[in-house]
Amino acid sequence: DIQMTQSPASLSASVGETVTITCRASENIYSYLAWYQQKQGKSPQLLVYNAKTLAEGVPSRFSGSGSGTQFSLKINSLQPEDFGSYYCQHHYGTPFTFGSGTKLEIK
Amino acid sequence: EVMLVESGGGLVKPGGSLKLSCAASGFTFSSYAMSWVRQTPEKRLEWVATISSGGSYTYYPDSVKGRFTISRDNAKNTLYLQMSSLRSEDTAMYYCARQGGGDAMDYWGQGTSVTVSS
Repeated sequence: DIQMTQSPASLSASVGETVTITCRASENIYSYLAWYQQKQGKSPQLLVYNAKTLAEGVPSRFSGSGSGTQFSLKINSLQPEDFGSYYCQHHYGTPFTFGSGTKLEIK
Repeated sequence: EVMLVESGGGLVKPGGSLKLSCAASGFTFSSYAMSWVRQTPEKRLEWVATISSGGSYTYYPDSVKGRFTISRDNAKNTLYLQMSSLRSEDTAMYYCARQGGGDAMDYWGQGTSVTVSS
């Protein structure tokens, strides 16, 4: 199975800052990488798929990049509604696997 | 509006069985592959099962293969997960999700909680 290693596990930032979360795959997954946001008590929501394609309705301050085994999610100018947890997941066929998550908290 | 509503969760003893349902609306259900994903109490996300749009193909991780069965009724716009031989490590929130662009999970339900405990 493909292992997804996500970092950092937690991150503290202020409104207006820019943050980056990284995800590494244990083997080449080309661009088959998705990012999800999850707020407390809610289900995950798709942010980015195919490494860099924003899902419908996702603000342009979010951007995804990378290919192969190294990927990142960048959030420009953090807004209060951006705080929560973020997960990466490869969608390069089954078994799908997720990163362990990054908890983004308000500083 | 795409909506996925799970039901059927609850408390079950180890070795027991449970069947989850996911009612879909707001899209052409029969055109999409669907999946179940669970989130453990430690907040880890785990893929549980996927079924093709027509229902002919199913996929499972080794951790549930032979114990869980995913199925669908396209006439009723409903996805199912039959779980048997349940273990304590199956305790989780179970979400159904639509496989969208590139096979990423583009819509998720609100989840149904399963607790396996004696």
